[in-house]
Amino acid sequence: DAGVIQSPRHEVTEMGQEVTLRCKPISGHNSLFWYRQTMMRGLELLIYFNNNVPIDDSGMPEDRFSAKMPNASFSTLKIQPSEPRDSAVYFCASSPWGRRQGTEAFFGQGTRLTVV
Amino acid sequence: AQSVTQLGSHVSVSEGALVLLRCNYSSSVPPYLFWYVQYPNQGLQLLLKYTTGATLVKGINGFEAEFKKSETSFHLTKPSAHMSDAAAYFCAVSRSNYGGSQGNLIFGKGTKLSVKP
Repeated sequence: DAGVIQSPRHEVTEMGQEVTLRCKPISGHNSLFWYRQTMMRGLELLIYFNNNVPIDDSGMPEDRFSAKMPNASFSTLKIQPSEPRDSAVYFCASSPWGRRQGTEAFFGQGTRLTVV
Repeated sequence: AQSVTQLGSHVSVSEGALVLLRCNYSSSVPPYLFWYVQYPNQGLQLLLKYTTGATLVKGINGFEAEFKKSETSFHLTKPSAHMSDAAAYFCAVSRSNYGGSQGNLIFGKGTKLSVKP
């Protein structure tokens, strides 16, 4: 398996522009997570989905942030409008869901977002 | 509510020396605990985890960690450091422990390990 695939790896955009980050989870994993990593706040969970349904979005910082999972193999995180303080590395992770051992999360390589 | 504290944002050891990275947690339920490693410009890779059972957990690359409930600790050790161990290490606790996914995590701030030749 190719693992969790995120695109783009790097994104530079101007303040006020819309940014869309993409994630393809590992096939068969039905939980998907979006994390943000910054120097100041470390790794924070933004939102997660089970079976394509958003379960907890309490970590989404503002209404400018939105996430969707239209099917089991694709998710997006959108920021509109973007601001310089949104600059961070955004990680997508996926895991199986169920009452079993071995349901840890696997992380993608991240998207480094810079808003200028 | 759960939380994770990693003592020491930077740790430097000599090649061949013992590696000890400290992690203390707070949890209102029996915790599921994890150590992840992040190499520069990479994602996070699971080193090891504790859910139930044996409290000494062995992971990849020669690392191990011991769950000590009385001390609320889950320190990461490796007997002999290698240059390739230089990376950032993150301790995490799962928000739930009743099954389901183990991806809903609270992370510590991380410890950057440097290995001197």
